[in-house]
Amino acid sequence: EVQLVESGGGLARPGESLRLTCTASGFTFSSHVLDWVRQAPGKGLEWVSGISGSGGTTYYADSVKGRFIISRDNSRNTLDLLMNSLRVEDTALYYCARMRRETGAFDVWGPGTVVAVSS
Amino acid sequence: DIQMTQSPSTLSASIGDKITITCRASQSINNWMAWYQQKPGKAPKLLIYRASTLERGVPSRFSGSASGTEFTLTISSLQPDDFATYYCQQYGPSSRAFGQGTKVEIE
Repeated sequence: EVQLVESGGGLARPGESLRLTCTASGFTFSSHVLDWVRQAPGKGLEWVSGISGSGGTTYYADSVKGRFIISRDNSRNTLDLLMNSLRVEDTALYYCARMRRETGAFDVWGPGTVVAVSS
Repeated sequence: DIQMTQSPSTLSASIGDKITITCRASQSINNWMAWYQQKPGKAPKLLIYRASTLERGVPSRFSGSASGTEFTLTISSLQPDDFATYYCQQYGPSSRAFGQGTKVEIE
């Protein structure tokens, strides 16, 4: 079964760091672009970051550029998001999502992990 | 970065109605457009990709179309399971963007 499962969410204070991990199974991990998408409470979906299959190319939304770092380990089938200098507005449910090749669309999503930033 | 403008934000409709949701891109995206359905407490579900290709297993009452930078999701006959929030999403070479979402409610 194709599956993505996020972990690492929790409560942090402004300025602190958190690392999210997405563990994949059931597909050839290195063949797919993977992204992080977040959803603040009661709000819409916001794209956060993406990474190529090899890990050599990364992309970030302006709202997190310079603070978040996306990476992947193709030997362990894991995707990470290191979130530094956290802000209250980073509070959200964070999803990892698989991009289907040649479509630009996310066909597999994890259940998400909650990040809460509060003083 | 490309911006997506989705409308309406809320839509009230009845079972059997035909409904249309629109997304406009701030520049050409060459049909790199997808549509998702999201229900409360659940991850989004892919409905349509490349503007008009129906995802496997999605009912044929869902359809997508494109005209320039304007993209449309149509549900031909609304069913009880379709009451949800819908999002458009564009894919670009170095970024993606979601529309603001459309909540489809029972009238």
